[in-house]
Amino acid sequence: DADVTQTPRNRITKTGKRIMLECSQTKGHDRMYWYRQDPGLGLRLIYYSFDVKDINKGEISDGYSVSRQAQAKFSLSLESAIPNQTALYFCATSDLLGQGIDTQYFGPGTRLTVL
Amino acid sequence: SQKIEQNSEALNIQEGKTATLTCNYTNYSPAYLQWYRQDPGRGPVFLLLIRENEKERRKERLKVTFDTTLKQSLFHITASQPADSATYLCALVPYGGSQGNLIFGKGTKLSVKP
Repeated sequence: DADVTQTPRNRITKTGKRIMLECSQTKGHDRMYWYRQDPGLGLRLIYYSFDVKDINKGEISDGYSVSRQAQAKFSLSLESAIPNQTALYFCATSDLLGQGIDTQYFGPGTRLTVL
Repeated sequence: SQKIEQNSEALNIQEGKTATLTCNYTNYSPAYLQWYRQDPGRGPVFLLLIRENEKERRKERLKVTFDTTLKQSLFHITASQPADSATYLCALVPYGGSQGNLIFGKGTKLSVKP
């Protein structure tokens, strides 16, 4: 986990506030991801980026935006937070191995509560 | 619709026994399937992967099988220990899917009792 860091680790905010979650990695990977995890729903992909100029929407991108500032940094923003965005958020990285295999390395997570 | 399902939310076993976790998928043709371990409040950690043309893979006390006819992967932990208690997630990338766009199951919480 130390290779992928997330800040903050915990955040409580109010409805309507803008929030940014940050992710940094020292693994030298090109690919980065943002997931959210909710009890009973599992991990769901929000956005992913295969390099600095590439941003793709995942399964549940509505209400979120991202910025890939550098190979090592990928930020997730909630422009106007709402209570159902309360969840555990994970950043992950990966490096495409041979034969198209992609294994992901996750950060420690950010617990976000929107009141 | 496409689904990836892990057969049970929780599995309780006695120390020393073999734990077997199941991952079933429908309407996917995965190129490979991965298993991750997740401890409470922490990010998932990759354990093993198996390719669609492989029947079995092993790593120490872990074994993964893949049956593309049954559309099922089994994850075994032999000689289980209390330290193996965690949630285990299966994940796949389907053929034709975007590389790296892993689809995760909801996980099975394994508890190993001393």
